[in-house]
Amino acid sequence: SSELTQDPAVSVALGQTVRITCQGDSLRSHYANWYQQKPGQAPVLVIYGQKNRPSGIPDRFSGSSSGNTASLTITGAQAEDEADYYCDSRDSSAKERVFGGGTKLTVL
Amino acid sequence: EVQLVESGGGLVQPGGSLRLSCAASGFTFSSYWMSWVRQAPGKGLEWVATIKQDGNEKYYVDSVKGRFTISRDNAKNSLYLQMNSLRAEDTAVFYCATLGDYYDRSGYYYDAFDIWGQGTMVIVSS
Repeated sequence: SSELTQDPAVSVALGQTVRITCQGDSLRSHYANWYQQKPGQAPVLVIYGQKNRPSGIPDRFSGSSSGNTASLTITGAQAEDEADYYCDSRDSSAKERVFGGGTKLTVL
Repeated sequence: EVQLVESGGGLVQPGGSLRLSCAASGFTFSSYWMSWVRQAPGKGLEWVATIKQDGNEKYYVDSVKGRFTISRDNAKNSLYLQMNSLRAEDTAVFYCATLGDYYDRSGYYYDAFDIWGQGTMVIVSS
């Protein structure tokens, strides 16, 4: 099965820009989605199909992809953006799914 | 209100069985692929299983193949996960989630886990 690798932790100063990455061979063929999870809550979809925002997600969240790496960028991070972020994609079989290990974002 | 509500979690001994349920409301359940995703305490998300709208296609993570069975009853707007031969490493919060369909401006299709329940805790311990 495929694997998606994320940095375990990232920090950003309030109002600054931060990029969270997700690496894996399956990303060369399949798109990534991104989820935000706050403590004690269910995940929330923030980016689908590499770069698209669901309705209700602030436009400071954006996504991109290059080669085997997908990225989630938060431009002007807010205190409420402090959370765990997970990428997800299809695995190499295109039938199963795989999540990255998650990145804990701290807003300083 | 669009909602998924899981139930059926609890404490079970290693080797035991448990059946999780997920009740859907506020949307056309039968139109969606559905999935179970779990999260061990203090750990990340792990996809467990996915089932097609009509129940005729099912996919599982390797670690649960042969032990877990995903099923659905569209007449009852319900998703299930039958878990047998449970192990300590199955201890987790189990979420049900829809695999929603999205199209971008170019008409490209994507799917993503977009509606999540609040989760139900499964503890496997003697």
